[in-house]
Formats: sequence, structure tokens, C-alpha cells
Amino acid sequence: ELKVEQNPLFLSMQEGKNYTIYCNYSTTSDRLYWYRQDPGKSLESLFVLLSNGAVKQEGRLMASLDTKARLSTLHITAAVHDLSATYFCAVDRGETSGSRLTFGEGTQLTVNP
Amino acid sequence: EPEVTQTPSHQVTQMGQEVILRCVPISNHLYFYWYRQILGQKVEFLVSFYNNEISEKSEIFDDQFSVERPDGSNFTLKIRSTKLEDSAMYFCASSEVGQYQETQYFGPGTRLLVL
Repeated sequence: ELKVEQNPLFLSMQEGKNYTIYCNYSTTSDRLYWYRQDPGKSLESLFVLLSNGAVKQEGRLMASLDTKARLSTLHITAAVHDLSATYFCAVDRGETSGSRLTFGEGTQLTVNP
Repeated sequence: EPEVTQTPSHQVTQMGQEVILRCVPISNHLYFYWYRQILGQKVEFLVSFYNNEISEKSEIFDDQFSVERPDGSNFTLKIRSTKLEDSAMYFCASSEVGQYQETQYFGPGTRLLVL
């Protein structure tokens, strides 16, 4: 059974600080996704990481993938209140098109002024 | 920008009743999915659909659930006899075929409450 674990599950941080969310997974797949979810809303795609060593950045968020360690990180730089949301990583088996996504439990991020 | 749409946004039903949740995937996408999220929990896969048939389903997707593509645009999830534990947010998603970067795009969700 494919498992995806995130930590921390809850993160409260001050504006301007940096922090990293970790996502470990148990499959050999090298397709990893990060999504953002605001309360009561849908999932917004942030990043797709497709190969070992992949790094993508958008604004204050940077995601990376180490397929050997089966680890992805989402790094937050100089956090602002607008980044408050729940962040999910998800993995598919990468074998075929249309594979199911297996999600982590999510990291609920609160950025305080 | 194209997006996945879902109706209704909220549905309240009595236990044992049938519900149909509707989705309109992004028009050039050919893979369709249903996921659910029980309040405060992670997102769980239910079923994927391609070329007018189920391509994969989870253990949650039992005989009470069915999916259908009744026409060229809609994709539906039917729950035949709802249980209290079916209360959740149900998300439809779609993705392209033939692209290695197969991001699944999610709709806004239908919040189902079974009383």
C-alpha cells in the first residue's frame, strides 16, 4: 500500500520567517504534486515534480524532489499571511496515465502577523 | 482559464436516499476522477474513468457507488443509498492524456451532508 506522510501536520509561524514542510512517500514513483487548499475550498495545483533533483519555485514557495530518499520538501521563504492554508503533497504510481493520487494528511499552515 | 465545475455546491439528504453529484470536466481532458474528503481529513481517491469505463477504483467505491458519463460534457457520481458516513466533500478532477505532466485539476467540490 502506497503511503504518503507529511510533517508537520500543523505549523504556526510568524510573518517573515522561513520554514520547510516535508513529504515522505513509500513508492518508487517519481511524480509528486503539491496542492494548496483554503478552508472550505478546492485544491489548487502548486507544483508538479517529475524527476529526481527537480526544483520549482513560485513566489515564496519552492518545492524539491529527491526520489532516492523518497522525499519532497516545500520551503516557505519570508512567510506572509496570504500563505495561510493547508498544503497537501500527493503521489501517483507513475506507471500509467490517469493514476490515482494518494495524498498526505496535509499541513495546516497559519502565518501570524 | 478552463476549470472543472461541480453542482450542487451543497446537498443535504436523508440516510438511505439516492444522490447524484454532477461534474463538468475541462473540455479537452479525457481522464476523470472522484475524490472525497471527510471533514478535517485527507483527500481520498474513489474512482477514475477513461474511455467510458472505470479504469481504477478504491476499496471505498463499493456497490453503492456508480459513475457515468451521460453525455459529452457531464460526469456524475451516484450514491444509491446514502449512509451517515458518506457525509464529506466530494471533488471531481480531470486530467489530460498523453502528457507526462498529468496534473489533475480539481473542481470546487460538493459538500454532502447525510442526516
